[in-house]
Amino acid sequence: DIVITQSPDSLAVSLGERATINCKSSQSVLYSSNNEDCLAWYQQKPGQPPKLLIYWASTREFGVPDRFSGSGSGTDFTLTISSLQAEDVAVYYCQQYYSPPWTFGQGTKVEIK
Amino acid sequence: QVQLVQSGAEVRKPGSSVKFSCKASGGTFGGFQINWVRQAPGQGLEWMGGISPIFGTANYAQKFQGRVTITADKSTTTLEVSSLRSDDTALYYCAREVGPHVPAFASWGQGTLVTVSS
Repeated sequence: DIVITQSPDSLAVSLGERATINCKSSQSVLYSSNNEDCLAWYQQKPGQPPKLLIYWASTREFGVPDRFSGSGSGTDFTLTISSLQAEDVAVYYCQQYYSPPWTFGQGTKVEIK
Repeated sequence: QVQLVQSGAEVRKPGSSVKFSCKASGGTFGGFQINWVRQAPGQGLEWMGGISPIFGTANYAQKFQGRVTITADKSTTTLEVSSLRSDDTALYYCAREVGPHVPAFASWGQGTLVTVSS
């Protein structure tokens, strides 16, 4: 199974500041057929199901604010929130869909400093 | 837009089985695979398996092979878990992929809480 490791486990960021979450996979998730990375990012708020933010490592899902962006390739990926808003307080997960079983990182909790 | 609506909470004893459902409200699943993801209390996300409603073919994480059965028609999918243990206590979500054969999960049900306790 592909192991996904996120860092940090938690971070506190001031409102309006940048938040950066890292995600590392135990093997490359680059899909050679379309040269895209099989990596997604989710946001989960308390009492809610996860919400898809990003897929193909950098494609923003419809309706997701442009302050959320994904980058990286191969085994190392980053989710950036360019200007943290109060409503962004949540746990964020990355997920690989290159090779089943699809696996998730352990989550990163984002709070307001 | 099709919403996924799941059946209500269940309580079971260890060793028993549970079956619950996920329905596409307002339409069908279309050509998209439906997956099941669980989340134990205070824990992360774990993919259990998925199914193509059109072809009826299911695939499972090896961890759950033999203990989990996923079935589906064009608008309802069911998950059955047998030989329940206390560590199966979790919130179980159905989720639809973002596009055909792209298993990033764009639509989620509200979750079904399963409690396993003697």
